[in-house]
Amino acid sequence: EAGVTQFPSHSVIEKGQTVTLRCDPISGHDNLYWYRRVMGKEIKFLLHFVKESKQDESGMPNNRFLAERTGGTYSTLKVQPAELEDSGVYFCASSQVDRGRYGYTFGSGTRLTVV
Amino acid sequence: DQQVKQNSPSLSVQEGRISILNCDYTNSMFDYFLWYKKYPAEGPTFLISISSIKDKNEDGRFTVFLNKSAKHLSLHIVPSQPGDSAVYFCAASGIWSGAGSYQLTFGKGTKLSVIP
Repeated sequence: EAGVTQFPSHSVIEKGQTVTLRCDPISGHDNLYWYRRVMGKEIKFLLHFVKESKQDESGMPNNRFLAERTGGTYSTLKVQPAELEDSGVYFCASSQVDRGRYGYTFGSGTRLTVV
Repeated sequence: DQQVKQNSPSLSVQEGRISILNCDYTNSMFDYFLWYKKYPAEGPTFLISISSIKDKNEDGRFTVFLNKSAKHLSLHIVPSQPGDSAVYFCAASGIWSGAGSYQLTFGKGTKLSVIP
Protein backbone atom coordinates (compact mmCIF):
# COMPACT_ATOMS: atom_id res chain seq x y z
CA GLU A 1 0.00 0.00 0.00
CA ALA A 2 1.43 3.37 -1.00
CA GLY A 3 1.79 5.83 1.84
CA VAL A 4 0.89 9.48 2.06
CA THR A 5 2.84 11.38 -0.56
CA GLN A 6 3.74 15.03 -0.33
CA PHE A 7 5.54 17.28 -2.75
CA PRO A 8 7.62 19.16 -3.10
CA SER A 9 9.80 17.88 -0.29
CA HIS A 10 11.48 21.28 -0.06
CA SER A 11 10.51 24.74 -1.24
CA VAL A 12 12.40 27.99 -0.87
CA ILE A 13 10.48 31.12 -1.85
CA GLU A 14 10.76 34.82 -1.32
CA LYS A 15 8.46 36.74 0.96
CA GLY A 16 5.37 37.81 -0.94
CA GLN A 17 5.43 34.91 -3.38
CA THR A 18 2.89 32.11 -3.65
CA VAL A 19 3.54 28.47 -2.91
CA THR A 20 1.30 25.45 -3.37
CA LEU A 21 1.89 22.24 -1.46
CA ARG A 22 0.32 19.00 -2.56
CA CYS A 23 -0.69 15.88 -0.65
CA ASP A 24 -1.83 12.53 -2.01
CA PRO A 25 -3.43 10.50 0.78
CA ILE A 26 -3.60 6.74 1.01
CA SER A 27 -6.19 5.50 -1.43
CA GLY A 28 -9.57 5.05 0.21
CA HIS A 29 -8.84 7.33 3.15
CA ASP A 30 -11.69 9.80 3.44
CA ASN A 31 -10.01 11.81 6.20
CA LEU A 32 -7.15 14.10 5.30
CA TYR A 33 -5.37 16.43 7.70
CA TRP A 34 -2.80 19.19 7.44
CA TYR A 35 -0.41 19.91 10.31
CA ARG A 36 2.54 22.28 10.57
CA ARG A 37 5.69 22.35 12.61
CA VAL A 38 7.39 25.69 12.96
CA MET A 39 11.07 25.44 13.91
CA GLY A 40 11.57 24.48 17.55
CA LYS A 41 7.89 24.29 18.26
CA GLU A 42 5.27 21.58 18.41
CA ILE A 43 3.38 20.11 15.48
CA LYS A 44 0.09 21.98 15.18
CA PHE A 45 -3.23 21.12 13.55
CA LEU A 46 -4.28 23.23 10.57
CA LEU A 47 -7.36 21.59 9.11
CA HIS A 48 -9.30 18.40 8.40
CA PHE A 49 -11.09 17.25 5.27
CA VAL A 50 -13.69 14.54 5.05
CA LYS A 51 -13.73 13.59 1.39
CA GLU A 52 -13.90 16.94 -0.43
CA SER A 53 -15.47 18.90 2.44
CA LYS A 54 -13.67 20.91 5.08
CA GLN A 55 -14.73 19.39 8.37
CA ASP A 56 -12.64 21.65 10.58
CA GLU A 57 -10.34 24.52 9.61
CA SER A 58 -10.01 26.03 13.06
CA GLY A 59 -6.23 25.73 12.98
CA MET A 60 -5.64 27.76 9.84
CA PRO A 61 -3.50 30.76 10.88
CA ASN A 62 -5.10 33.37 8.62
CA ASN A 63 -6.71 33.94 5.23
CA ARG A 64 -3.38 33.75 3.41
CA PHE A 65 -3.76 29.98 3.66
CA LEU A 66 -6.18 28.19 1.34
CA ALA A 67 -6.70 24.44 1.32
CA GLU A 68 -8.64 22.45 -1.22
CA ARG A 69 -9.34 18.79 -1.84
CA THR A 70 -10.42 18.12 -5.35
CA GLY A 71 -12.94 15.31 -5.74
CA GLY A 72 -12.03 13.93 -2.35
CA THR A 73 -8.65 12.72 -3.58
CA TYR A 74 -5.48 14.81 -3.38
CA SER A 75 -5.30 18.07 -1.46
CA THR A 76 -3.44 21.32 -1.98
CA LEU A 77 -2.44 23.96 0.52
CA LYS A 78 -1.70 27.35 -0.97
CA VAL A 79 0.05 30.15 0.87
CA GLN A 80 -0.44 33.54 -0.75
CA PRO A 81 1.39 35.80 -0.11
CA ALA A 82 3.99 33.96 1.95
CA GLU A 83 5.47 35.61 5.03
CA LEU A 84 8.67 34.79 6.92
CA GLU A 85 6.73 33.23 9.81
CA ASP A 86 5.19 30.68 7.45
CA SER A 87 8.51 28.82 7.31
CA GLY A 88 8.30 25.33 8.73
CA VAL A 89 7.49 21.74 7.85
CA TYR A 90 3.99 21.08 6.59
CA PHE A 91 2.72 17.55 7.18
CA CYS A 92 -0.24 15.87 5.60
CA ALA A 93 -1.88 12.84 7.15
CA SER A 94 -4.76 10.57 6.25
CA SER A 95 -6.93 7.97 7.95
CA GLN A 96 -9.94 5.79 7.27
CA VAL A 97 -11.71 6.84 10.44
CA ASP A 98 -11.52 10.11 12.32
CA ARG A 99 -10.52 8.66 15.65
CA GLY A 100 -7.44 9.87 17.45
CA ARG A 101 -6.67 6.53 19.04
CA TYR A 102 -5.86 4.80 15.80
CA GLY A 103 -3.29 7.33 14.80
CA TYR A 104 -2.94 8.82 11.39
CA THR A 105 -0.48 8.01 8.62
CA PHE A 106 1.69 11.03 8.00
CA GLY A 107 3.58 11.97 4.88
CA SER A 108 7.23 12.97 4.96
CA GLY A 109 6.34 16.64 4.93
CA THR A 110 7.20 19.68 2.84
CA ARG A 111 9.89 21.92 4.29
CA LEU A 112 8.97 25.49 3.38
CA THR A 113 11.52 28.24 3.76
CA VAL A 114 10.43 31.83 3.17
CA VAL A 115 13.33 34.25 2.74
CA ASP B 1 -0.46 27.91 26.15
CA GLN B 2 1.06 24.48 25.61
CA GLN B 3 -1.35 21.71 26.59
CA VAL B 4 1.06 18.81 26.01
CA LYS B 5 4.56 19.14 27.37
CA GLN B 6 7.66 17.07 26.90
CA ASN B 7 10.18 18.67 29.21
CA SER B 8 13.21 16.66 28.15
CA PRO B 9 14.49 17.72 24.73
CA SER B 10 16.89 14.77 24.63
CA LEU B 11 17.69 11.45 26.28
CA SER B 12 20.64 9.08 25.90
CA VAL B 13 20.41 5.42 26.87
CA GLN B 14 22.71 2.42 26.56
CA GLU B 15 21.60 -0.37 24.24
CA GLY B 16 19.70 -3.04 26.14
CA ARG B 17 18.63 -0.70 28.91
CA ILE B 18 15.20 0.85 29.47
CA SER B 19 14.27 4.16 27.85
CA ILE B 20 11.63 6.21 29.64
CA LEU B 21 10.12 9.17 27.85
CA ASN B 22 7.81 11.46 29.76
CA CYS B 23 4.90 13.68 28.86
CA ASP B 24 2.61 15.95 30.86
CA TYR B 25 -0.70 17.43 29.84
CA THR B 26 -3.02 20.04 31.22
CA ASN B 27 -6.40 19.40 29.63
CA SER B 28 -8.47 16.70 31.33
CA MET B 29 -10.76 16.47 28.28
CA PHE B 30 -8.23 14.55 26.19
CA ASP B 31 -9.60 11.08 25.44
CA TYR B 32 -6.64 9.32 23.84
CA PHE B 33 -2.93 9.71 24.17
CA LEU B 34 -0.54 8.64 21.46
CA TRP B 35 3.17 8.31 20.87
CA TYR B 36 4.73 8.95 17.50
CA LYS B 37 8.26 8.24 16.40
CA LYS B 38 10.02 10.40 13.84
CA TYR B 39 13.20 9.84 11.88
CA PRO B 40 14.91 12.75 10.10
CA ALA B 41 13.29 13.75 6.80
CA GLU B 42 10.33 11.47 7.47
CA GLY B 43 6.87 12.06 8.85
CA PRO B 44 5.81 10.96 12.34
CA THR B 45 4.97 7.27 12.58
CA PHE B 46 2.27 6.07 14.95
CA LEU B 47 3.72 3.88 17.69
CA ILE B 48 1.19 3.18 20.43
CA SER B 49 -1.84 4.77 22.05
CA ILE B 50 -3.79 4.56 25.28
CA SER B 51 -7.34 5.44 26.15
CA SER B 52 -7.91 7.92 28.94
CA ILE B 53 -9.82 5.22 30.84
CA LYS B 54 -6.84 2.86 30.92
CA ASP B 55 -3.61 3.10 32.86
CA LYS B 56 -1.39 0.84 30.79
CA ASN B 57 -1.06 -0.42 27.25
CA GLU B 58 1.65 -2.74 26.01
CA ASP B 59 2.85 -3.62 22.51
CA GLY B 60 5.99 -5.67 22.32
CA ARG B 61 8.91 -3.67 23.64
CA PHE B 62 6.76 -0.56 24.06
CA THR B 63 4.55 0.19 27.05
CA VAL B 64 2.67 3.38 27.75
CA PHE B 65 1.58 4.26 31.27
CA LEU B 66 -1.05 6.86 32.08
CA ASN B 67 -1.48 8.56 35.46
CA LYS B 68 -4.62 10.64 35.15
CA SER B 69 -4.47 12.16 38.60
CA ALA B 70 -1.01 13.53 37.81
CA LYS B 71 -1.87 14.25 34.17
CA HIS B 72 1.25 12.39 33.20
CA LEU B 73 2.11 9.64 30.77
CA SER B 74 5.29 7.82 29.94
CA LEU B 75 6.60 5.55 27.22
CA HIS B 76 8.88 2.70 28.22
CA ILE B 77 11.04 0.95 25.67
CA VAL B 78 12.62 -2.29 26.87
CA PRO B 79 15.16 -3.28 25.77
CA SER B 80 16.32 -0.21 23.87
CA GLN B 81 17.92 -0.79 20.49
CA PRO B 82 20.04 1.52 18.31
CA GLY B 83 17.22 1.56 15.73
CA ASP B 84 15.01 3.22 18.35
CA SER B 85 17.08 6.39 18.05
CA ALA B 86 14.61 9.00 16.82
CA VAL B 87 12.48 11.91 18.01
CA TYR B 88 9.46 10.78 20.01
CA PHE B 89 6.35 12.92 20.10
CA CYS B 90 3.65 12.66 22.68
CA ALA B 91 0.21 13.61 21.35
CA ALA B 92 -3.28 13.83 22.78
CA SER B 93 -6.54 13.68 20.91
CA GLY B 94 -9.84 15.34 21.53
CA ILE B 95 -12.54 17.39 19.90
CA TRP B 96 -11.88 21.10 20.40
CA SER B 97 -13.92 22.99 17.91
CA GLY B 98 -17.60 23.07 17.18
CA ALA B 99 -16.88 21.22 13.96
CA GLY B 100 -16.57 17.99 15.92
CA SER B 101 -13.31 16.93 14.35
CA TYR B 102 -10.63 15.07 16.26
CA GLN B 103 -7.40 16.98 16.50
CA LEU B 104 -4.03 15.87 17.74
CA THR B 105 -2.20 18.18 20.13
CA PHE B 106 1.51 17.44 20.10
CA GLY B 107 4.38 18.02 22.48
CA LYS B 108 7.69 19.40 21.19
CA GLY B 109 9.33 15.99 21.11
CA THR B 110 12.21 14.20 22.85
CA LYS B 111 15.24 13.07 20.90
CA LEU B 112 16.25 9.59 22.00
CA SER B 113 19.75 8.34 21.32
CA VAL B 114 20.45 4.67 22.01
CA ILE B 115 24.17 4.10 22.33
CA PRO B 116 25.52 0.72 21.14
